[in-house]
Amino acid sequence: GAVVSQHPSRVICKSGTSVKIECRSLDFQATTMFWYRQFPKQSLMLMATSNEGSKATYEQGVEKDKFLINHASLTLSTLTVTSAHPEDSSFYICSARLRGTGNTEAFFGQGTRLTVV
Amino acid sequence: GENVEQHPSTLSVQEGDSAVIKCTYSDSASNYFPWYKQELGKGPQLIIDIRSNVGEKKDQRIAVTLNKTAKHFSLHITETQPEDSAVYFCAASSQGAQKLVFGQGTRLTINP
Repeated sequence: GAVVSQHPSRVICKSGTSVKIECRSLDFQATTMFWYRQFPKQSLMLMATSNEGSKATYEQGVEKDKFLINHASLTLSTLTVTSAHPEDSSFYICSARLRGTGNTEAFFGQGTRLTVV
Repeated sequence: GENVEQHPSTLSVQEGDSAVIKCTYSDSASNYFPWYKQELGKGPQLIIDIRSNVGEKKDQRIAVTLNKTAKHFSLHITETQPEDSAVYFCAASSQGAQKLVFGQGTRLTINP
């Protein structure tokens, strides 16, 4: 299957600082990328849908000013957690769907474990 | 919007036996149903998917069945092995909908 690379895999940051997570589609073009958050033993919670060249669409309850998403190219989307607090500690996962008409497969990155201290 | 329910939440199976995980969906417009396997500390991995124009799909020890009338689909794993132990998620999406809606997940444990 297609490869989605996410970086970093783990990050520890101090409370009040910002952290950027990168998501790249390595061997395909991804018009749309998705950012999820996952708490221990829970399902994936969609945070936002990122379309190349346009503003991200955030799910209800997700603060767009806190979770900044940039999708500058067909292979790269970034999520920046601004002014991070301990409650932002979680597992963040990106996903990209193959470009094309109709329903296409979605592939996930390896995830980023964020710990805010 | 779409709602996906997944059962059971945990499943323990003897090595070599079969495991079945079931999902139901609410939106009759949904036409794409993937299954993902997630190991501890990793992102979900697509293991099999099915589209609404077929009722069953098989890939070696893994199969998925779809009943559009009843709006449910199931994952079947035969001849289970210890490496099958993981959390499995089902999902659904409809034509034109960009996002996948996930089930709650099933923690599968294969006992040697």
